[in-house]
Amino acid sequence: GQNIDQPTEMTATEGAIVQINCTYQTSGFNGLFWYQQHAGEAPTFLSYNVLDGLEEKGRFSSFLSRSKGYSYLLLKELQMKDSASYLCAVRASGGSYIPTFGRGTSLIVHP
Amino acid sequence: DADVTQTPRNRITKTGKRIMLECSQTKGHDRMYWYRQDPGLGLRLIYYSFDVKDINKGEISDGYSVSRQAQAKFSLSLESAIPNQTALYFCATSDSLAGGPGTDTQYFGPGTRLTVL
Repeated sequence: GQNIDQPTEMTATEGAIVQINCTYQTSGFNGLFWYQQHAGEAPTFLSYNVLDGLEEKGRFSSFLSRSKGYSYLLLKELQMKDSASYLCAVRASGGSYIPTFGRGTSLIVHP
Repeated sequence: DADVTQTPRNRITKTGKRIMLECSQTKGHDRMYWYRQDPGLGLRLIYYSFDVKDINKGEISDGYSVSRQAQAKFSLSLESAIPNQTALYFCATSDSLAGGPGTDTQYFGPGTRLTVL
């Protein structure tokens, strides 16, 4: 099975930088996804990492260390609209090949 | 137009009733999924289908059944609804043939909020 751990809630100030961590334990890693979900809405894809290192997409970046079972999502120049839940999902090789979701981190951005 | 649609968007029903939630997609994806989301528990997989003739149980399939009527349609049924099935239900699709980074990225419908009294 898989074990995925994220902080339940974080708060940050508009304009600041926030890092949301995700640690995982899995037998046979085959990719990690980050999704954003605003309250009552559908999750939407943010990023995908399968190799170690940093992937940058505008204000959002995602980092992966496979040896440490660790990823983070970095949000820069925070805006109020970034208040949402951020879901980490890990895909294991073999089996169904379907990512397993963590419980998500609720980010609150305040002025 | 939305690529993944779900009907109904909201439903209130009573214990013991049979309920069907429907999902349609225009993305042309071969893979479809049903998840439920409960506060503090994240997204949990109920059933998934990799093709029209392929149906597989997920993590929490007890009390649910599904039907893949066509590549574009995947419905979820609760044969006899119970209060602990009150949740937000999401349908999702993915493309096994996308290739490259992010293959099998999932695209979610808007969700169905189901309340069982």
